[in-house]
Amino acid sequence: GAVVSQHPSRVICKSGTSVKIECRSLDFQATTMFWYRQFPKQSLMLMATSNEGSKATYEQGVEKDKFLINHASLTLSTLTVTSAHPEDSSFYICSARDHSAGRELYGYTFGSGTRLTVV
Amino acid sequence: KQEVTQIPAALSVPEGENLVLNCSFTDSAIYNLQWFRQDPGKGLTSLLLIQSSQREQTSGRLNASLDKSSGRSTLYIAASQPGDSATYLCAGTGFQKLVFGTGTRLLVSP
Repeated sequence: GAVVSQHPSRVICKSGTSVKIECRSLDFQATTMFWYRQFPKQSLMLMATSNEGSKATYEQGVEKDKFLINHASLTLSTLTVTSAHPEDSSFYICSARDHSAGRELYGYTFGSGTRLTVV
Repeated sequence: KQEVTQIPAALSVPEGENLVLNCSFTDSAIYNLQWFRQDPGKGLTSLLLIQSSQREQTSGRLNASLDKSSGRSTLYIAASQPGDSATYLCAGTGFQKLVFGTGTRLLVSP
């Protein structure tokens, strides 16, 4: 099936610094990728839709200047948390879907997630 | 706006039991419904995908059904094992976006 790789799996950063998280589709091209945030014991909340070659679409209430998304190639999307603060500490997960013929049956594939801790 | 609800929120059963997890959605214009498993601190693993034209899918001990008219999907787990302990999430697909349910935390005791 389709594979999505996400790095890093864990990161600890100081308050005020920026952190970049990478999401790669390993065996397919993804014109669209999705970034989610998950708080402890809660479900996933969609933050934004990353579009290759164009601006990301952010969900209501998500600060686009805080969470910068870049989708410069068909296999890589990055999420940068700028000027991170302790309240940004969370679990971030990316997702993509392989729309090529015969593989749409796999549905959405998720990365392994990134645990961000801001101290 | 699509809303997805899962019942029960938590479930604890002894090993060997058959069990059913429920998922309800408000908008019947759902495209696909996908069931996932999430282990603590990990990403999501896809279990089953039911396309809107289908009524059920099976994989091993898992069987998922979809009834769009009633806005429901169920995940049936046969002969549960301790390794099945995880959080199970259902998600409905509209135009591209996935809308997740609230999840069911399952604990299977040996």
